[in-house]
Amino acid sequence: DQQVKQNSPSLSVQEGRISILNCDYTNSMFDYFLWYKKYPAEGPTFLISISSIKDKNEDGRFTVFLNKSAKHLSLHIVPSQPGDSAVYFCAARENFNKFYFGSGTKLNVKP
Amino acid sequence: SQTIHQWPATLVQPVGSPLSLECTVEGTSNPNLYWYRQAAGRGLQLLFYSVGIGQISSEVPQNLSASRPQDRQFILSSKKLLLSDSGFYLCAWSAAPNYGYTFGSGTRLTVV
Repeated sequence: DQQVKQNSPSLSVQEGRISILNCDYTNSMFDYFLWYKKYPAEGPTFLISISSIKDKNEDGRFTVFLNKSAKHLSLHIVPSQPGDSAVYFCAARENFNKFYFGSGTKLNVKP
Repeated sequence: SQTIHQWPATLVQPVGSPLSLECTVEGTSNPNLYWYRQAAGRGLQLLFYSVGIGQISSEVPQNLSASRPQDRQFILSSKKLLLSDSGFYLCAWSAAPNYGYTFGSGTRLTVV
């Protein structure tokens, strides 16, 4: 049973607009959340993270929001650029050794 | 700086053949090492992790095994590949848990 879910397999956004990628989790013991970006035939690269004691973390065009009561995580990209087109994975940490990943959302930013 | 190397990039193997994928990390010592698999249309599934030489934890029962013969070397193996072993295999390392993992470039395995 998946503990981290990304229910939207794909998302298409116009360049300059906001991209919102969503992630839901079931385990209330998760204490740290990350977003990774993945291009085809490459390994995922770390994008942004958030601790469970916070509800927002911002880094340039990327902002991650955490709603613990809803067990929901989202990544906002503003403004979206064509180079942002990739698969985005959310991940949640159960303990030092284990991260659980969602199934990914493929973002397509149209010029 | 730390780097992670994973090879080969692509591999086509017949059913029943053995498998050996290697991952090495440079620029750090005593890293936590991980093997993940991404099957078609699915997320990243943790297969094995290791917190030290000779220490292997398996997350899912399967046809694969892992070994850590040296501090910065992690090997994924199989004695006899199955069609269901096809997928994209990723090695990763972590030293500081708050930064998650650093992934290798992956190996695309196709079992025919």
